[in-house]
Amino acid sequence: DIVMTQTPLSLSVTPGQPASISCKSSQSLLHSDGKTYLYWYLQKPGQSPQLLIYEVSSRFSGVPDRFSGSGSGTDFTLKISRVEAEDVGVYYCMQGIHDSWTFGQGTKVEIK
Amino acid sequence: QVQLVESGGGLVKPGGSLRLSCAASGFTFSDYYMSWIRQAPGKGLEWVSYISSSSSYTNYADSVKGRFTISRDNAKNSLYLQMNSLRAEDTAVYYCARIARSGWYPQFWGQGTLVTVSS
Repeated sequence: DIVMTQTPLSLSVTPGQPASISCKSSQSLLHSDGKTYLYWYLQKPGQSPQLLIYEVSSRFSGVPDRFSGSGSGTDFTLKISRVEAEDVGVYYCMQGIHDSWTFGQGTKVEIK
Repeated sequence: QVQLVESGGGLVKPGGSLRLSCAASGFTFSDYYMSWIRQAPGKGLEWVSYISSSSSYTNYADSVKGRFTISRDNAKNSLYLQMNSLRAEDTAVYYCARIARSGWYPQFWGQGTLVTVSS
């Protein structure tokens, strides 16, 4: 299985300030079809996960443009340009290049 | 809008069985692959299984292979997970998810149903 490693595991951010989460995979997520199968989800407190970013950098419908994804191969980053109170929760990266998806451990984002 | 509503969770003894259901609405169910993903209390996410749109293809995580069976009824817009020989480590919230048609990822998730395996 591909291992997904996120850092940091927790983050405390002042509203209006930026935040960044790193995700590294144990194997390249670049497929022969040219796509890179890396995704980001946010699980808000008491809710189910919701899709934020697909294929490294494409924002899902309705996701604010303060969220952006970047990276390639095995190294990826999720950035929030200006954190808002509603952004609190646990962020997960996920690989979809193999049949069996695997997720990072999660990064808990709190507001200072 | 897409709605996925899981049901069937509860408390079951080790070695017991349980059948989870997921009622889908707001989209053409028969057009989409579907999946189950679980989350143990206070833990991260673990993919469990998925099924193709016509049920011709299924796959399972090693941790549940041989014990769990995924199925669907496109006429009823429903997804199922039959769980047998349950173990304490199967205790989790089980989410039903719709897989994106243009990619390979869970696009929409239900609210989850809690399964507790304990004597």
